Amino acid sequence: QKEVEQDPGPLSVPEGAIVSLNCTYSNSAFQYFMWYRQYSRKGPELLMYTYSSGNKEDGRFTAQVDKSSKYISLFIRDSQPSDSATYLCAITSFQKLVFGTGTRLLVSP
Amino acid sequence: EPEVTQTPSHQVTQMGQEVILRCVPISNHLYFYWYRQILGQKVEFLVSFYNNEISEKSEIFDDQFSVERPDGSNFTLKIRSTKLEDSAMYFCASSEMPSGELFFGEGSRLTVL
Repeated sequence: QKEVEQDPGPLSVPEGAIVSLNCTYSNSAFQYFMWYRQYSRKGPELLMYTYSSGNKEDGRFTAQVDKSSKYISLFIRDSQPSDSATYLCAITSFQKLVFGTGTRLLVSP
Repeated sequence: EPEVTQTPSHQVTQMGQEVILRCVPISNHLYFYWYRQILGQKVEFLVSFYNNEISEKSEIFDDQFSVERPDGSNFTLKIRSTKLEDSAMYFCASSEMPSGELFFGEGSRLTVL
C-alpha cells in the first residue's frame, strides 16, 4: 500500500465551480498535512498547513483533515482559470515530507 | 516576501561529470532539504539537514550524493558522477521547525546526456 494516494486527474471544471481534491494515507504516525500548488516546471507553492483534524480556511481554500479515516481534502470555492495547476498533498511525521502524485486541475473560463 | 533561491535554473551535463546545485534558504530557517522530481513523477525526498549534519536521507541519496553548508547562507547538493537517471528537477526547501511549513525554491533542472 502506498504511503499517500492521490487521484492524478485531470479534473476539469468550469469557472466558479467548487473543487474537491483528496488524498488518503496509510501511516497513522503522520501528523502534519500540507497542500501545495505546482505550476508546470515550477517549484511547489505552499497553500495550506494543518496538524489537527477538522477544517482550516484561508480565503477561497479550505483544508480538511480526518485522522480517523486517514483522509485529507482541499476545497477551492469560486474556482478561477488561474487555479489551473497541479495540487499536491504532502504529509509528514517529522522532517521528511511524503508527497502524493498530484492532481491536475483545469478550470475553464 | 522571503524566498528560497536556487541556481542554476537549468544545467546540462555529460554522464559521469560532477554537478553542484546551489540554494540560499530563507534566512531564519534552520532545516534544509533537497527533493527531486523526475518528469511526470511525484516529488521525492532526498535528504534533510540540520545543525551541519544530515538528519535523514532516502534510499535515492546514495554515495554519489553529498550536501554541504559551506557558509552561513548557501546549501549545496553535489552529485559526484552523474547518471542518465539523475535527470530531474531538484528542489531545495527550508523550514523554521522540523515539522513546520516547508518552503520550496523554483528548482534546478538537471539534464544528463
